[in-house]
Amino acid sequence: SAVISQKPSRDICQRGTSLTIQCQVDSQVTMMFWYRQQPGQSLTLIATANQGSEATYESGFVIDKFPISRPNLTFSTLTVSNMSPEDSSIYLCSVDVQGMNTEAFFGQGTRLTVV
Amino acid sequence: AQSVSQHNHHVILSEAASLELGCNYSYGGTVNLFWYVQYPGQHLQLLLKYFSGDPLVKGIKGFEAEFIKSKFSFNLRKPSVQWSDTAEYFCAVNGRGSQGNLIFGKGTKLSVKP
Repeated sequence: SAVISQKPSRDICQRGTSLTIQCQVDSQVTMMFWYRQQPGQSLTLIATANQGSEATYESGFVIDKFPISRPNLTFSTLTVSNMSPEDSSIYLCSVDVQGMNTEAFFGQGTRLTVV
Repeated sequence: AQSVSQHNHHVILSEAASLELGCNYSYGGTVNLFWYVQYPGQHLQLLLKYFSGDPLVKGIKGFEAEFIKSKFSFNLRKPSVQWSDTAEYFCAVNGRGSQGNLIFGKGTKLSVKP
């Protein structure tokens, strides 16, 4: 299993600003995932973050808007840049501890409100 | 397109009632299937998963789900719900051999009246 800590748990931000969300895992993992859950919607994968390489973004998400860092095997950050009210969502970090065909573990999420 | 459909947005039951939450998926190829639960204020937690073998899967807290390949379904069931089962339930899928990235349904909120 894995314990994932996300910071901050919630924030209210002004439009046009940026927020960096941190994700810390209690064990080394190869792949970390960032999801977004917009109000009333399902979780949507933003990108996959591998240590030592550029993140892989899903369709509809771009690096300029959601830059990701992955400096080591236990930590990642997601930045929401130049925020607008449409970015108000819950952002979740997830890891797959053992690799293929195993469950994913999730952080508690960051509830972001942009005003 | 790959997708997961959960039929019920909000289900309200009395304690001891039986539960069935519907989940259908659209995904090319062999799949892994999951049900996650999110209790108020807590992390998403895995309830149960199906990778292969017996299509009737038993999970934690008395939940079970049945994979019916011909119907592309993975419905969640519990014979008798408790007030503590009040939570949001998410069905998810990924491809066999994939590494963690999941496609989620929109979730079903379950409210159990004491």
